[in-house]
Amino acid sequence: DAGVTQSPTHLIKTRGQQVTLRCSPKSGHDTVSWYQQALGQGPQFIFQYYEEEERQRGNFPDRFSGHQFPNYSSELNVNALLLGDSALYLCASSLQQGYNSPLHFGNGTRLTVT
Amino acid sequence: KNQVEQSPQSLIILEGKNCTLQCNYTVSPFSNLRWYKQDTGRGPVSLTIMTFSENTKSNGRYTATLDADTKQSSLHITASQLSDSASYICVVLRMDSSYKLIFGSGTRLLVRP
Repeated sequence: DAGVTQSPTHLIKTRGQQVTLRCSPKSGHDTVSWYQQALGQGPQFIFQYYEEEERQRGNFPDRFSGHQFPNYSSELNVNALLLGDSALYLCASSLQQGYNSPLHFGNGTRLTVT
Repeated sequence: KNQVEQSPQSLIILEGKNCTLQCNYTVSPFSNLRWYKQDTGRGPVSLTIMTFSENTKSNGRYTATLDADTKQSSLHITASQLSDSASYICVVLRMDSSYKLIFGSGTRLLVRP
């Protein structure tokens, strides 16, 4: 049973560029959430997708956008990259109604903006 | 304000020793509290989930406690191993009309031989 998979594992981009990160949820999960984790900090919630719609959003600008596909996989897009966007981006999957079930995280994409 | 505070920020212990990590929260309404272990460069992995009515929950050498009255939780690690070196993150689920996970900043544990 495959867990959450993310690609790519590492990425280096230049300021002003755009990036797309990808996530496949754990088998059987229908909800995908994205988090940004700066070095030495806890994950910060970006947004959550369920039934191909953004259901919740954290305090992130519109430069951060996403998509969920019919097979529940998801993409995170970041436009006009800033140096401060350098971080580990984590994808987590769950069941929408699984409030007492754990999130399953992927191992993240390490984004470096130069 | 809905916050999760963890202490200490970092901790160094010798292999074989026990340690306790603390988590205080001001999240309301409370639904459950989770502890995750995050190895360097990896995603967090769930250790325990505790609901309002649970005081103690164990997962191998990890034992979590919850005092919902004082809004405090602890994670006790027994007979530490080198592989316990990681960040430990406390997360509280707030649920009203929707649900939101509030993350602490984590405690970085280093176990030395």
